[in-house]
Parts: sequence; C-alpha cells; structure tokens
Amino acid sequence: LAKTTQPISMDSYEGQEVNITCSHNNIATNDYITWYQQFPSQGPRFIIQGYKTKVTNEVASLFIPADRKSSTLSLPRVSLSDTAVYYCLVGEGTYKYIFGTGTRLKVLA
Amino acid sequence: GAVVSQHPSRVICKSGTSVKIECRSLDFQATTMFWYRQFPKKSLMLMATSNEGSKATYEQGVEKDKFLINHASLTLSTLTVTSAHPEDSSFYICSAAGTSGRSTDTQYFGPGTRLTVL
Repeated sequence: LAKTTQPISMDSYEGQEVNITCSHNNIATNDYITWYQQFPSQGPRFIIQGYKTKVTNEVASLFIPADRKSSTLSLPRVSLSDTAVYYCLVGEGTYKYIFGTGTRLKVLA
Repeated sequence: GAVVSQHPSRVICKSGTSVKIECRSLDFQATTMFWYRQFPKKSLMLMATSNEGSKATYEQGVEKDKFLINHASLTLSTLTVTSAHPEDSSFYICSAAGTSGRSTDTQYFGPGTRLTVL
C-alpha cells in the first residue's frame, strides 16, 4: 500500500489559490491518486482523481508529474467554506485506502 | 455523482446493547464496501473490507465478533456493534466502490453515523 505524506496544516486567505502537495514515493503502476475533502462530522467528499499529467474539474485541478511520486491539489480562489481537511489517497479501484493525517486547511477572511 | 447513504445518522444507546448501522449505495452497485471509524480530530481508520456475498476482511486489532459486517447485496452493507461499551463511541463511516473492476473505480463515502454509548 502506498503511503502518503502531506503538510499537517495550511492557512490561506479568501480569494487566494491554494496548492496542497502530497508525496507518494512508492506508488504502484495501477494506482490512481484521489483527493477528498472532509468537514467536521461528515464523510469525506470526492474532489478529484487522476493518474498522470493534469486533471481539472469544476472545483479543482490536480497536477501529477511524470514520475508520479507526488501530486498537487490546486484550489482556485478559496472561500471560507473551503476550510476543511483534505486527504490525498493512492490506491487501485476497489482496494482499501489507508488514510494519512490529511491537511487541515484554514481559510481566513 | 455516486451517492452513499448511512442510517441512522446518530444513535445513542445503553452499554451492553447492540447497534446496527446500514450503508447503502443509492445509484450504483458496489462490489466492495469499507467501514471506517474516526475519533475527534483524527484521521479515518479502516476497520474492515467487505465484498458482496463474502466474509469481511478485518484490519489488525479489530474484533470481528464485536463488529459484525454483512454485505448481503450490491447496494447494502451493515455494521453491527455488539454489546456496545462507552469506548465504542465514535464516528463510523462507510464507503462503497463500483463494479467496473477498473482502477478508476472510486470510493464514495457515506455521511457517517455518530454512535454514543452511555
């Protein structure tokens, strides 16, 4: 199972772009990289998933370098409601995930 | 997107009683469902993995006789906490992954169940 490492916490201001980097040095060939957002007392919410290069959806972008040993979640123009814990997970489809500490993002006014 | 529900969202019970939590995938069929527990300000801890029609696989340190998991169909898994004690109080979260068998199958999480044992 690929282990992930993320910064424990980050602060940002409203309207700024936030980039959260995740390290996953032993990612396997079949593993995808998935990011989730979790608010207190709620289950994690899917944000974005990718395998390589760049993926963009309506809420975020995911940048994955060629060696796939890291990935960066980019949140454009964050608002106070983006204050949450963000988890980077690496795995293959229906196989189990092992959650790391996640990154606690605090958006300030 | 895929929706996973849990019921109940919150339960309070007396010590020694059993509590059943349901996890349903509402708009997709899930070959695999997972159960996690989470303590305040901590990360999710995987308890067990269940495949439809098979016995669950429990993580090390999780008592299978204490936490009974049944995955009877492709849309329903249940977790029963037997003879609950105050130390079982926690936030229980399930997730479900689809049936395509591809690496892109994503886990979708339920909203969680807050269990309080008095």
